[in-house]
Amino acid sequence: EADIYQTPRYLVIGTGKKITLECSQTMGHDKMYWYQQDPGMELHLIHYSYGVNSTEKGDLSSESTVSRIRTEHFPLTLESARPSHTSQYLCASSGSIYGYTFGSGTRLTVV
Amino acid sequence: GENVEQHPSTLSVQEGDSAVIKCTYSDSASNYFPWYKQELGKGPQLIIDIRSNVGEKKDQRIAVTLNKTAKHFSLHITETQPEDSAVYFCAASRGSGGSYIPTFGRGTSLIVHP
Repeated sequence: EADIYQTPRYLVIGTGKKITLECSQTMGHDKMYWYQQDPGMELHLIHYSYGVNSTEKGDLSSESTVSRIRTEHFPLTLESARPSHTSQYLCASSGSIYGYTFGSGTRLTVV
Repeated sequence: GENVEQHPSTLSVQEGDSAVIKCTYSDSASNYFPWYKQELGKGPQLIIDIRSNVGEKKDQRIAVTLNKTAKHFSLHITETQPEDSAVYFCAASRGSGGSYIPTFGRGTSLIVHP
């Protein structure tokens, strides 16, 4: 079944650790996105990619980085996690200019 | 850039009532307006969308209307059920010739009381 997968669903990690949030989609979509969702539910775009080897920063300043080596895979990395990184992270993809498919999200807590 | 305002931020209704969520946008070049539903513990899911060449679109109990002149669009849910309880997001984007990336509203938390 075509879908978009995020792992892990929940992560509790200590300050200073390096972490990678995984996002994979099986729909062959060329466009992929990472959003940070704050407790008030507002969505903030942090990174996006329009294809392999293409990555751009979004509207929200973020200390994370992304890579797009394969069409289906768009991981997000935090080199040194801080409590201010505690949030819900949502990955999305789209194959056209119309509509996103979102993953279920990763809820990250940095202690 | 585009700015999307969404109201209300919280909406509480009784089961069977109708619910209306309204959004306004600022960029007259925006031509695609999707609506997403986010249930607890899940990512947002596209439930209905409308393009600028139509004024209304309906899918069972949900409908979306678009007024391009006034730059506003609305989501209408009739005969609400408890399973309609969720956070709803509107969005606006340009199609070809512009950015594919939508600007989202800040979300409306809909609570349907049984």
